[in-house]
Amino acid sequence: AQSVTQPDIHITVSEGASLELRCNYSYGATPYLFWYVQSPGQGLQLLLKYFSGDTLVQGIKGFEAEFKRSQSSFNLRKPSVHWSDAAEYFCAVGGTDYKLSFGAGTTVTVRA
Amino acid sequence: EPEVTQTPSHQVTQMGQEVILRCVPISNHLYFYWYRQILGQKVEFLVSFYNNEISEKSEIFDDQFSVERPDGSNFTLKIRSTKLEDSAMYFCASKPPGQPHSPLHFGNGTRLTVT
Repeated sequence: AQSVTQPDIHITVSEGASLELRCNYSYGATPYLFWYVQSPGQGLQLLLKYFSGDTLVQGIKGFEAEFKRSQSSFNLRKPSVHWSDAAEYFCAVGGTDYKLSFGAGTTVTVRA
Repeated sequence: EPEVTQTPSHQVTQMGQEVILRCVPISNHLYFYWYRQILGQKVEFLVSFYNNEISEKSEIFDDQFSVERPDGSNFTLKIRSTKLEDSAMYFCASKPPGQPHSPLHFGNGTRLTVT
């Protein structure tokens, strides 16, 4: 069975500080991995994706994530957070059928 | 950039009533999906649809749910007799054909409230 664990329910970070959101997955084959962001009242916007190849992937809004097969992790990072990054972040795993399993989400609060 | 459009943004219905949630996927996409997110819970896969038939469905997608592509542009989710526990945000998503590494494009969701 496939699943995603996001250990941190809520993270508060100062504007300009770095951010790292953790994601651990369980998947029986080579996974497709995704990070989505959801602002209040909005849909799910794709930040970045990993299918194969380079394990460090770059996304939109200055985000990056690193796939570590040995740790079954796909952590999301941003070197310097902006107030507009306050949102809920979801990690998801799936395969070629795109039947995705999502984590419970991490809410990011940015303080001035 | 093309978007997946969902209507209405919020629907309130009484328990036992039928409800239809509407989605207009991106025009050249051929794979369609419904996901839902009950308040405070994970986003869950409901169903995938391709070539006018269901490709896969989850345990949640029981006989009270159905999907349809009534014309060339709309993709609908029908709940025949709504229950209180159907209250959730429902997301439609689509994906183009022939591009296995193209991710899902999600709509902004329809918040369904069953009273």
